[in-house]
Amino acid sequence: NAGVTQTPKFQVLKTGQSMTLQCAQDMNHEYMSWYRQDPGMGLRLIHYSVGAGITDQGEVPNGYNVSRSTTEDFPLRLLSAAPSQTSVYFCASSYSGAIAKNIQYFGAGTRLSVL
Amino acid sequence: AQKVTQAQTEISVVEKEDVTLDCVYETRDTTYYLFWYKQPPSGELVFLIRRNSFDEQNEISGRYSWNFQKSTSSFNFTITASQVVDSAVYFCALSEAGGSQGNLIFGKGTKLSVKP
Repeated sequence: NAGVTQTPKFQVLKTGQSMTLQCAQDMNHEYMSWYRQDPGMGLRLIHYSVGAGITDQGEVPNGYNVSRSTTEDFPLRLLSAAPSQTSVYFCASSYSGAIAKNIQYFGAGTRLSVL
Repeated sequence: AQKVTQAQTEISVVEKEDVTLDCVYETRDTTYYLFWYKQPPSGELVFLIRRNSFDEQNEISGRYSWNFQKSTSSFNFTITASQVVDSAVYFCALSEAGGSQGNLIFGKGTKLSVKP
């Protein structure tokens, strides 16, 4: 059982480049989300989705786009990377329903550096 | 506003010592959930425990125990007889039933180093 899989694990970009961080889960979870983790800080929510075709913004959405065409996949797109987006990105998923109580399961993270 | 404070940035102990990681939270919701996650040096986030706001029973799981006190808005985590494998960053997190759907509000984490 793979759980939540993120690719790539590491990525270096130049300012202005675009890229997509991939996230896939095989647990049939309705809810998926993206967080970023910066040094000395906890994780902050970027975007989330409560099901295929439905997405919404979190705490720090600027500079990121998401879409959810299937239950399994929830890619995060950086349209024009900036040094401020250097961070570790985590994807998470959980069962839907009473979402606040659900345990979110995290992927292993993608470490992104923007030069 | 909702907030989670982990005042201890780093803790260093010697193996077999007991150690308590503090977590203080702020919320206006009457229904909320508290979580602890472990982030070992390999980087992934591992779920440890969930507690809801209506259940103040302490919980023990092996060498781990959690003390939830609504009166002080605290959800502290104790490791008994610490081991080197416990070295990690530990995050406390809050989820509000009336909040942004599924948003986990994380503390900044406590880095625990257990030395042999």
